[in-house]
Amino acid sequence: QVQLIESGGGVVQPGRSLRLSCETSGFLFQSYGMQWIRQAPGKGLEWVAFLPFDGMNPRYSDSLRGRFTVSRDNSKKTLFLQMTGLRVEDTAVYFCASRPPGRTFLDFWGQGTLVTVSA
Amino acid sequence: SLVLTQPPSVSVAPRQTARITCEGDNLGDKSVHWYQHKSGQAPVLVVHDDSVRPSGIAERFSGSNSGHSATLTIRAVETGDEADYYCQLWDYNSDQYVFGSGTHVTVL
Repeated sequence: QVQLIESGGGVVQPGRSLRLSCETSGFLFQSYGMQWIRQAPGKGLEWVAFLPFDGMNPRYSDSLRGRFTVSRDNSKKTLFLQMTGLRVEDTAVYFCASRPPGRTFLDFWGQGTLVTVSA
Repeated sequence: SLVLTQPPSVSVAPRQTARITCEGDNLGDKSVHWYQHKSGQAPVLVVHDDSVRPSGIAERFSGSNSGHSATLTIRAVETGDEADYYCQLWDYNSDQYVFGSGTHVTVL
């Protein structure tokens, strides 16, 4: 049974940092690309970042302007998202999702973790 | 980068057919995927690579893609199909994922 469980969300002040985690099980994590996607309140899904299976050449949404860093620990089957310089507009539910080798769709998603940026 | 446009909402009576469009430049040349998202739950892949249905997804869900438009069709709509639906693709030109604006399906 495939599971992706996000954690690390919470309330944080503008300008501060936060690190999200996505613990996985039930599939060959070290062979899968992984992504972060977010959904702001009342808005649609927004892609945040993609990290290939080997952790090389991450891709980011242009809108993030280098504030976020995605990484992974294949030995722990875990994906991370380091967020710095947080802004009110970063308030969202953050989802992680898996991308099968050689494909471009996202086959499994977690239920998300809520990040609230507020003074 | 590529923009994918969906109608904000679609309303359909039970047992009728819902069609959700996704429009973008030369979409027919790309692989389009569709996700169902119910509030508070994890999104679910319902169609990938234009028209392939993953294991466990009802045959009532189907997809097509040509020209500048992709379509997700839900036949014999049930109340449990009420959700937000998003198209998505990998834009090789910008090296980024792109999601459509999302369509809320209401079952009357």
